[in-house]
Amino acid sequence: GEQVEQLPSILRVQEGSSASINCTYENSASNYFPWYKQEPGENPKLIIDIRSNMERKQTQGLIVLLDKKAKRFSLHITDTQPGDSAMYFCAASTSGGNYKPTFGKGTSLVVHP
Amino acid sequence: DPKIIQKPKYLVAVTGSEKILICEQYLGHNAMYWYRQSAKKPLEFMFSYSYQKLMDNQTASSRFQPQSSKKNHLDLQITALKPDDSATYFCASSQEPGLSNERLFFGHGTKLSVL
Repeated sequence: GEQVEQLPSILRVQEGSSASINCTYENSASNYFPWYKQEPGENPKLIIDIRSNMERKQTQGLIVLLDKKAKRFSLHITDTQPGDSAMYFCAASTSGGNYKPTFGKGTSLVVHP
Repeated sequence: DPKIIQKPKYLVAVTGSEKILICEQYLGHNAMYWYRQSAKKPLEFMFSYSYQKLMDNQTASSRFQPQSSKKNHLDLQITALKPDDSATYFCASSQEPGLSNERLFFGHGTKLSVL
């Protein structure tokens, strides 16, 4: 199966600065990498994803980078706001019948005003 | 208006009892999943179902049994409950099984506390 490592586990930043979360995976066949945001007491929600045929994707203040050689992908949040404070989870998955996205352990992002 | 309904939202049970967690999705999806979230293991994959058939089971204990009476239902029966089973159980769905670039939609979870 897949193993996903996510760092850091806790990230504190000042409002307006950028925040970066890094994940690594083991299975070179993994080809889809979504990111989920989970606010306290809520369910995880997809915020951005990237497929293995891309190296970079950007949307609404979020940037995802993928380095297939290094089996590493990262989420960068630019101009952080207090509303960005939440748990963030990366995941990796592989096409095939047994589709089961494997999640990292999460990063608690705290944006200080 | 939630499209994935999980019942109940909160559940308290005594050790040794049996409970059923309900999940229904109204997204027209063909694949459904159960994940468990606790402080020890955030978002841990448990089961995946495709067209009402079990695709993958990563749960070591047979005390956890998924049940699918309809394509849009995937309930989770837990027997002989233990305090370690305390967690939030999330049901999720995706459009089609086996496609890697399919986003998961999560229900709001059932928070289970075993005393």
